[in-house]
Order: sequence, then C-alpha cells, then structure tokens
Amino acid sequence: VQLLESGPGVVKPSETLSLTCNVSNDFVNAGYTWSWIRQRPGKGLEWIGNLQHDGTTDYSLALKSRIDILLEVSQNQVSLRLSSVTAADTAVYYCARAYMGYCSGKTCRNWFDPWGQGTLVIVSS
Amino acid sequence: DSQMTQSPSSVAASVGDRVTISCQASQDIDKYLNWYQQKAGKAPSLLIYDASHLERGVPSRFSGSGSGTEFTLTITNLQPEDFATYYCQQYESLPPRFTFGPGTKVVVK
Repeated sequence: VQLLESGPGVVKPSETLSLTCNVSNDFVNAGYTWSWIRQRPGKGLEWIGNLQHDGTTDYSLALKSRIDILLEVSQNQVSLRLSSVTAADTAVYYCARAYMGYCSGKTCRNWFDPWGQGTLVIVSS
Repeated sequence: DSQMTQSPSSVAASVGDRVTISCQASQDIDKYLNWYQQKAGKAPSLLIYDASHLERGVPSRFSGSGSGTEFTLTITNLQPEDFATYYCQQYESLPPRFTFGPGTKVVVK
C-alpha cells in the first residue's frame, strides 16, 4: 500500500485546512485504521487523530475541537480538516496506516506503517 | 498529558560504533513500544515494533529491548545510512492517544 498526501501548501490564518491522503494498492474501507500525524518545523512528531474502518474517530485532546477525519470511499482517500488555523499549525502533515491489535491493561498492540511522504502546510496571510 | 522521554537528545558517533538510545514511557505499556527512523527531509518509517521485533527489511544491527516503562534501541556497527533521528512511540487506551518521544538525533562525530 502507498499513501500520498496532498493539500493547498499555504492557508490563511483562521481558515480551514483540508488535506487528502490518497491510498493506492488497497482499499480505505478494508478494515484499517487511518491516522494523521504532523511535524512542526524542526520539531518532533505529534499525533493528530485516527479514523477506524467503522467510522470511529479518536482525536488529540489538544486539537479535538478543530479536527475532522473522514473516509472518502469513492475516492479511496482519507481526508483531514483542521479549522481556525494559526501559525502554530504550520507543519508537515503525514498520513499513516495504524495497526491496532490485542489490548492489555491500558494499552494495545499498535504501530504506524506505512507512512505517506508528507505535505507541508504553511499558515500565513 | 502523556509524556515520553528519550535520552540522549543527540548522540555523536562514528561509523562502526555502538549507539544506545533510551526511552521511558509515561505508564506501563507492556511490550507495546515502537521505534521509528526518520532521515533528513523524509517521512518516518517503522523500525521496531513490540519493543524488539524488527520490521521487515530492517538490518539486524538494530535491536530493541525492554518492557513496562523502560525501553532501549541499540545500533551496533553503525553505518553511514543510520545517521538519522529516532523516535519511540506508545499508545494509551484511556483516553485513546498516541504519543511520540521527543527524538534522538544520531550525528557524525
């Protein structure tokens, strides 16, 4: 499976950022969990949210009020919408497939693989 | 808020060296700790899952160990292509959230 993110490149402050992740060689509704992860310039990785094949979403508490992750089955894509963006949302945004498995205690078997190449979004007027 | 720690934040090494990176999870995560490698300008890629299992295609000079809250990534016989940043990652189910460590950059000595 290959993932390829695309987006506008530049978004104005207060507007809504929309990104898509095109999935190749597999089907987005084939029982997987899809994730968005971002990386601010020179910084580490920040999980944004997940969308499970049954439509269940889990979002970062820090971003929950501003994000939506959707399956676009007809396009075989996963989309991310982030509203009311500020300069702090400037980052490379990655989509990834999340494996979620057996749960034990307060955690579950999990990993992100594969990842897309990422798309840079700059928030600027 | 969940926090993971990694040490060191940066390590200078030479080809052929042994490099050890530590990661501390915010709570007991059994063996469910993952390591990713990110080369400059590239997306991260899964290196090790379940604390010690190498992803397909990953050279055997990489190894991982640990359980609970303390984990280690070791690179033996460091190769030129191993200079990169390494991140550990955990999952907590209540509430559901994924957390990455701050990263360890392996640089040329």
